[in-house]
Amino acid sequence: GENVEQHPSTLSVQEGDSAVIKCTYSDSASNYFPWYKQELGKGPQLIIDIRSNVGEKKDQRIAVTLNKTAKHFSLHITETQPEDSAVYFCAASKSTNAGKSTFGDGTTLTVKP
Amino acid sequence: DAGVIQSPRHEVTEMGQEVTLRCKPISGHNSLFWYRQTMMRGLELLIYFNNNVPIDDSGMPEDRFSAKMPNASFSTLKIQPSEPRDSAVYFCASSSMGGGQPQHFGDGTRLSIL
Repeated sequence: GENVEQHPSTLSVQEGDSAVIKCTYSDSASNYFPWYKQELGKGPQLIIDIRSNVGEKKDQRIAVTLNKTAKHFSLHITETQPEDSAVYFCAASKSTNAGKSTFGDGTTLTVKP
Repeated sequence: DAGVIQSPRHEVTEMGQEVTLRCKPISGHNSLFWYRQTMMRGLELLIYFNNNVPIDDSGMPEDRFSAKMPNASFSTLKIQPSEPRDSAVYFCASSSMGGGQPQHFGDGTRLSIL
């Protein structure tokens, strides 16, 4: 089955700096890669996703890049703000009826004011 | 949009008791998921439904766990009998994508089995 590894497990940045979180996956058939943000006491929230026919996707201060050859994808957050502090999860799946998502172990991002 | 609604938010009970967790997915979503989150094991998919039909229950720990989706707007996860190792946060999620990828999560039920 699919295996997703996520790095780093913790990340601390100064407000205004950029943050990058990286994930690798094992199943070359995976073609859907979402990212979730989980705040304390809340459920994960889908913040951005990318499909394998696209190399990069941006949404305001967040972007995701995908390298299918190397089987890795990354989340980039620019101009970080304290409210970006949360746990971020990546996931990978085949977007078929039976393609369940496999999650990474999460990255705890702390943005220091 | 009310989001995915879970109840109760917190549950504390003694081992051996039956526990029932409830979920109302977002209206119009055709997929529903039950996840369990612990520090040790992270986010684990227990079971998911498409159009009220269970598609993959390979993550259900054992026969003590059961899940039902009697209609498109309601699902339950039941643990009987409960054990201390079942203590975790249980999340329900729903999706309109029709596959195994959750889009919207509820805020979870924090379950403590004493």
